[in-house]
Amino acid sequence: ETGVTQSPTHLIKTRGQQVTLRCSSQSGHNTVSWYQQALGQGPQFIFQYYREEENGRGNFPPRFSGLQFPNYSSELNVNALELDDSALYLCASSSLFSGGALNEQFFGPGTRLTVL
Amino acid sequence: AQRVTQPEKLLSVFKGAPVELKCNYSYSGSPELFWYVQYSRQRLQLLLRHISRESIKGFTADLNKGETSFHLKKPFAQEEDSAMYYCALEGMSGGSNYKLTFGKGTLLTVNP
Repeated sequence: ETGVTQSPTHLIKTRGQQVTLRCSSQSGHNTVSWYQQALGQGPQFIFQYYREEENGRGNFPPRFSGLQFPNYSSELNVNALELDDSALYLCASSSLFSGGALNEQFFGPGTRLTVL
Repeated sequence: AQRVTQPEKLLSVFKGAPVELKCNYSYSGSPELFWYVQYSRQRLQLLLRHISRESIKGFTADLNKGETSFHLKKPFAQEEDSAMYYCALEGMSGGSNYKLTFGKGTLLTVNP
């Protein structure tokens, strides 16, 4: 059973640019959640994807968008990058029960994004 | 709105001493609470969840709904317990969606 992987490991962009981060979920999982972790803070929920549909969103502007593919891997896209977008971006995969409750979330190692 | 508060950013204890990492939450429904741990250069991983009522690596946590707390305890700290600990709450994110809300974390250092 392979774990959650993320690419790239590190990324440097400039203000105004666009970025795409990728996440491969753990085998057997159908849900991917994305989190932003700023320095010295806990992870903050961006959004969740379940069976290729957005299934909940945190307090992030529309320039944060995502996709989930049929193999349950996922992308996080951020447009018009701002300096405050500099953070560690984590994805977590899990299985969503039919009743809606989440099983344990397994985290990837993260992508460190620096916006200059 | 759901909120998780970890009042201590840093906690330092000596090996063999008891340790308690504090966590308070705010949530209008019936929460599910977790402790996640991140060891140096490793990814975030689940330590324990309140519904399982397990003791993992000697750690326990009891949900106190009256005090809205979920403190993590271990009677005798070990050097390998040194890590960043995050308390997290799973609650509704509108409709039938569930999300994790994390505290800011407590960095535990166990000194020899």
